[in-house]
Amino acid sequence: NAGVTQTPKFRILKIGQSMTLQCTQDMNHNYMYWYRQDPGMGLKLIYYSVGAGITDKGEVPNGYNVSRSTTEDFPLRLELAAPSQTSVYFCASCPMGGTQYFGPGTRLLVL
Amino acid sequence: KQEVTQIPAALSVPEGENLVLNCSFTDSAIYNLQWFRQDPGKGLTSLLLIQSSQREQTSGRLNASLDKSSGRSTLYIAASQPGDSATYLCAVRFPNDMRFGAGTRLTVKP
Repeated sequence: NAGVTQTPKFRILKIGQSMTLQCTQDMNHNYMYWYRQDPGMGLKLIYYSVGAGITDKGEVPNGYNVSRSTTEDFPLRLELAAPSQTSVYFCASCPMGGTQYFGPGTRLLVL
Repeated sequence: KQEVTQIPAALSVPEGENLVLNCSFTDSAIYNLQWFRQDPGKGLTSLLLIQSSQREQTSGRLNASLDKSSGRSTLYIAASQPGDSATYLCAVRFPNDMRFGAGTRLTVKP
C-alpha cells in the first residue's frame, strides 16, 4: 500500500492564481482531512469528508474548496491565491474512529 | 470554543531521562485523542491513539494517558534517546472538529 500520497511536493504561485492540491489514499478509508500548518504552529483543519459525496468545513475553510467524488481522492482547490495561504498542506485519512495517516505534505509559497 | 494546548513548548533533556509531555483540551466531549511525532520538514507519524472510553495506551517506551473529566492527556517517554528528538503533537477529535496543539519540541542530548 502507498498509504496517503500528495502532489505536488512544492509549488510557487502568484497572487490571484489558482491550483489544486491532490490527495489520494489506497486504504479504503472513509474519513479524509485537509490541514494547513504554518511555521511553528500546530495543524488547522480546513475541510474534511466522512465519505464520498460528503464534505464539511473545518476551522479555516475560507479561500478553499474541496470535493469527494470517490473514496480514494480528496482534492483541495485554491481559487484566488493570497500570501496568507503560504503554508504546508497535509492530507490525512482514517477509518471511522481509527488512527489518522498523513501524507508527506505540499509546501506552497504564494508571492 | 474547542482548544488544545500543549505544555511545555520546548523541552531539552539529557539522554536516558524519563519525561512527560502534556496536552489539555477545553471540551470533555471527545471521540479520541492521538499523539503524533513530526520530524523537521516531514509529515506526521502516529504514535498512540486513545479512544474516549480508554484511560491509557502503551507502545514500547511510550505511554499515553487520558483523563477526559479534567481535559488532560500526558505522553510519557521512558529512557529517552537522541533519536526521540522531534516535535510531539497531540490531536483531539471532537464530534464535528479536529484540533491540534501547537506541539512540544523535544531535544534529547547525548
